[in-house]
Amino acid sequence: EVQLVESGGGLVQPGGSLKLSCAASGFTFSSFSMNWVRQAPGKGLEWVSYISSSSSTIHYADSVKGRFTISRDNVKNSLYLEMNSLRAEDSAVYYCARGYFDWFNPLLDSWGQGTLVTVSS
Amino acid sequence: DIVLTQSPGTLSLSPGERASLSCRASQSVTINYLAWYQQKPGQAPRLLIYGASSRATGIPDRFSGSGSGTDFTLTISRLEPEDFAVYFCQQYGSSPPTFGQGTRLE
Repeated sequence: EVQLVESGGGLVQPGGSLKLSCAASGFTFSSFSMNWVRQAPGKGLEWVSYISSSSSTIHYADSVKGRFTISRDNVKNSLYLEMNSLRAEDSAVYYCARGYFDWFNPLLDSWGQGTLVTVSS
Repeated sequence: DIVLTQSPGTLSLSPGERASLSCRASQSVTINYLAWYQQKPGQAPRLLIYGASSRATGIPDRFSGSGSGTDFTLTISRLEPEDFAVYFCQQYGSSPPTFGQGTRLE
């Protein structure tokens, strides 16, 4: 069974940093692309970032470009999102999600339960 | 960016009834790369439909997707109590991938 477990969320001040992790199990992690998607409280879904299986291709939403960095460790079966210069509008539940394709057409076939990030003073 | 507009915002139906949810794109969706997800309160989204009309693994056949180009529909033929949730459409053919704002089925 595919399992994705996010961690690392919490309360951070505006301008601060946070690093999210996603531990994957139940599938060959190194064969799949991965994504981060966020959902502000009571709002819709927003795709944040994509990384290919080998880390050779990375994409970001314009709203986080230059502030967030996606990475992965295929030995540790883990996905990461380093978030810097955080703003109030970055407050959301952050989900990691597996990509059905390895190329950048993010059909998201499995999702974690999410980790909450709150940016507030 | 492709804007996806879902309608209605809220759909009030009863178990056993048929539900039709609409997703309209601001421009044609590449290769009909249109997906539907179901989200229940406090849970992660679950993939229901991809490629506009293909059911994901384990999804009951009462769920069906149709449409092409800019107009897509998710149909639930006969509502079960567990189907009451929020449904999102997503296009994954153009960058950036975008989601609709959701339809709440109550």
